[in-house]
Order: sequence, then structure tokens, then C-alpha cells
Amino acid sequence: RKEVEQDPGPFNVPEGATVAFNCTYSNSASQSFFWYRQDCRKEPKLLMSVYSSGNEDGRFTAQLNRASQYISLLIRDSKLSDSATYLCVVWGATNKLIFGTGTLLAVQP
Amino acid sequence: DAMVIQNPRYQVTQFGKPVTLSCSQTLNHNVMYWYQQKSSQAPKLLFHYYDKDFNNEADTPDNFQSRRPNTSFCFLDIRSPGLGDAAMYLCATRNRGLETQYFGPGTRLLVL
Repeated sequence: RKEVEQDPGPFNVPEGATVAFNCTYSNSASQSFFWYRQDCRKEPKLLMSVYSSGNEDGRFTAQLNRASQYISLLIRDSKLSDSATYLCVVWGATNKLIFGTGTLLAVQP
Repeated sequence: DAMVIQNPRYQVTQFGKPVTLSCSQTLNHNVMYWYQQKSSQAPKLLFHYYDKDFNNEADTPDNFQSRRPNTSFCFLDIRSPGLGDAAMYLCATRNRGLETQYFGPGTRLLVL
């Protein structure tokens, strides 16, 4: 079983739609969680950190469910510029980032 | 403004011809990482330096070596590139005690 699992998508949504991604992690000792965004042929960039009960940043909301070991990312009012791969990332017990394979989002005009 | 710089951005090499990728940082972070990322896959950690301490991942091939001559610079040496080594190579840095990693723009390696 992979340490971090995500639905690879693609998620094809119209502009203005709300879309949600889920991610599960296997190590219950994991402490920190992140969503990174990666555009095609570019480097990953930190989108949001997810601590304790989650947080919101504008149109983006991240939630953490420790009991079920899953993290979610909600994007409201999708823009064309939101099209990218969203990587679920966990700070592992070995002090390393563990990446999911990413979920591809394509926002259609 | 660039904080983590990677050169070159694109590298073409021949099968078996050694190649060196470079990474520099202006953040004065003490931890530096090298990742390999192939198409539609997650970044795969190759190794990292905690200050001068080198930490190799167990499944990193011997073909991959690294050098960190000082805090600012880190190099990835591929001694005999194979076709399967074609990938994006990402450098990242982190400051002690913090978890956020800052990635460079990557070097895309093509092996002919």
C-alpha cells in the first residue's frame, strides 16, 4: 500500500464549479500535511498547509480527518488558472515529505 | 528574487555520458534535497543533506552521486546515464525545524 494515495483524475470541471479532492495516508504517526500545486513541467509549489482541524485560504479549503487518515481540498468557484496537478503531501515519521502521485484538474471554459 | 536556482533548466546527454546538475540557494537553508520526478509520477527522493551530513535513500541507484561543497550549492552527478534516467530533477531546501520545502524550477534531463 502506498503511504499517500490520491485519485489521479483527471477531474474535468466547468469554470465556477466546486471541486473536491481526497487523499489518504497510511502512517497514523504523521504530523503535518500539505497540498502542493504543480503546473505542467514546473516545480511543485506549496498551496496550503493543513494542521489540526484544517484551514481556509480564499477559495481553497483544506480539511484533515485524523481518525480516518484522510485530507481533503475543496476549490470553490474554479478558475481556468486552477488547472494543474494537486499533490497531497505528508510529513512522514522519517522527517521526509511523502508525495502522492497527484490529482489532475482541468477547468474548462 | 529567485531563491532556489537550478542549472541548466534543460540538459541533453548521451547514453553513458556523465552529467552534472547544479542547485544553488539564497535562503541559507541547512537542508537540501534532490528528487527525481518522471511523467505522471510523484517526486521521488534520491538523497538529502542535513548540513554536511549526506543521507542516501536505500533505493537510490549507485549511478547517482551528490556533492555539497558549501551551504549554498549542491550538485547531482549521474555517472552513466541510462534511458531510464530521463526525468525532471528537482532540488529543494528546508530550514532546520521547519517542514516547508522550497523547490527550484527543476532540470529536465533527456538521455539520447
